[in-house]
Amino acid sequence: KQEVTQIPAALSVPEGENLVLNCSFTDSAIYNLQWFRQDPGKGLTSLLLIQSSQREQTSGRLNASLDKSSGRSTLYIAASQPGDSATYLCAGHRDDKIIFGKGTRLHILP
Amino acid sequence: NAGVMQNPRHLVRRRGQEARLRCSPMKGHSHVYWYRQLPEEGLKFMVYLQKENIIDESGMPKERFSAEFPKEGPSILRIQQVVRGDSAAYFCASSPRPATSYNEQFFGPGTRLTVL
Repeated sequence: KQEVTQIPAALSVPEGENLVLNCSFTDSAIYNLQWFRQDPGKGLTSLLLIQSSQREQTSGRLNASLDKSSGRSTLYIAASQPGDSATYLCAGHRDDKIIFGKGTRLHILP
Repeated sequence: NAGVMQNPRHLVRRRGQEARLRCSPMKGHSHVYWYRQLPEEGLKFMVYLQKENIIDESGMPKERFSAEFPKEGPSILRIQQVVRGDSAAYFCASSPRPATSYNEQFFGPGTRLTVL
């Protein structure tokens, strides 16, 4: 049973386009929602953390939203660049652990 | 302020050998978490430790795997008699406070274990 689901699994878009990555979670015990970036063979970089009392967070060209009632989060990337190519992981905080989705592999075409 | 450090970054073992993965948390952090990322899979929680205590090991395989976080020194994830299915990236994270409603964990670069 996949508790955190990310759609699509892979995405290719031309440079300059705006895009949305989707995440859904089935566990109502998940309170905070966090988005990470992972480059091939590398560790995790935290992008945005949305606390349960918040609806969205913004950092530069990134905006993440959280709707706990529907169990959904989105990561919006504006004006995409080739350097944005990476795997984006959605993760829910539950108790003392973080529950990760399998990620969306994003490829920005120059 | 150095981040979470893991070593080695890459580890190759033959079937049946032991693997020891080390994690040094960020300065001032006394809570450590281990996660495993199997090929084509998401990261999965393994164990949560505080200094000298295992708090939650609900994600640890029942056999061959153990973890410790001694009073002095790094946290160690130990895998005995490794098998090919243990090949994965193992990530460590640390936090400055217990797991609460606001638990930001800081991740290390990972150790990539390859079992031949």
